[in-house]
Amino acid sequence: EIVMTQSPATLSVSPGERATLSCRASQSVSSNLAWYQQKPGQAPRLLIYGASTRATGFPARFSGRGSGTEFTLTISSLQSEDFAVYYCLQYNTWPFTFGGGTKVEIK
Amino acid sequence: EVQLVESGGVVVQPGGSLRLSCAPSGFTFDDYTMHWVRQAPGKGLEWVSLISWDGSSPYYADSVKGRFTISRDKSKNSLYLQMNSLRTEDTAFYYCAKGGSTDPYYFDFWGQGTLVTVSS
Repeated sequence: EIVMTQSPATLSVSPGERATLSCRASQSVSSNLAWYQQKPGQAPRLLIYGASTRATGFPARFSGRGSGTEFTLTISSLQSEDFAVYYCLQYNTWPFTFGGGTKVEIK
Repeated sequence: EVQLVESGGVVVQPGGSLRLSCAPSGFTFDDYTMHWVRQAPGKGLEWVSLISWDGSSPYYADSVKGRFTISRDKSKNSLYLQMNSLRTEDTAFYYCAKGGSTDPYYFDFWGQGTLVTVSS
């Protein structure tokens, strides 16, 4: 099973600042990496797939990059609606596995 | 608009059984791989199972293999998860999710989830 490790567990950021979230895979997942945003009491929502393709409905301030074992999600200028938990998912190899999540909170 | 509506979550005793259902709309159900993903309250996400568009290839996480069965009914336009020999660690919100449009193994739309509580 591929282990996905996200860091940091919690990221405290002021509105308008840049946030960089990391996701590392225990072995290569190529570009088969997705990011999800989850707000309290809601289901997760697809944010990024294919490591860098933004899903419908998310603005350009969200960007994903990486391949192989190292991936990052960057939010260029945090808005109030971006404070949430973010999960990465590898779908390269069954069983598909999620990282433990990064909570982005208001500083 | 894609919608996925789960139902069937209740409180059940350890060792009991339960069947979850998912009613999709807004897309051609028969064309897509479907998944179940769960989340224990206050915890992270765990992929549980998938079924291919034609129902021929079910896969399971090791944690549920041999106890859970995924199925789909074309005539009823529904997805199911039969859960047997339930354990306390199966307590979670269970989400039905649609396979992606460019790859069947990520999840591009999720339902709101149904809560399964396994407790005596």
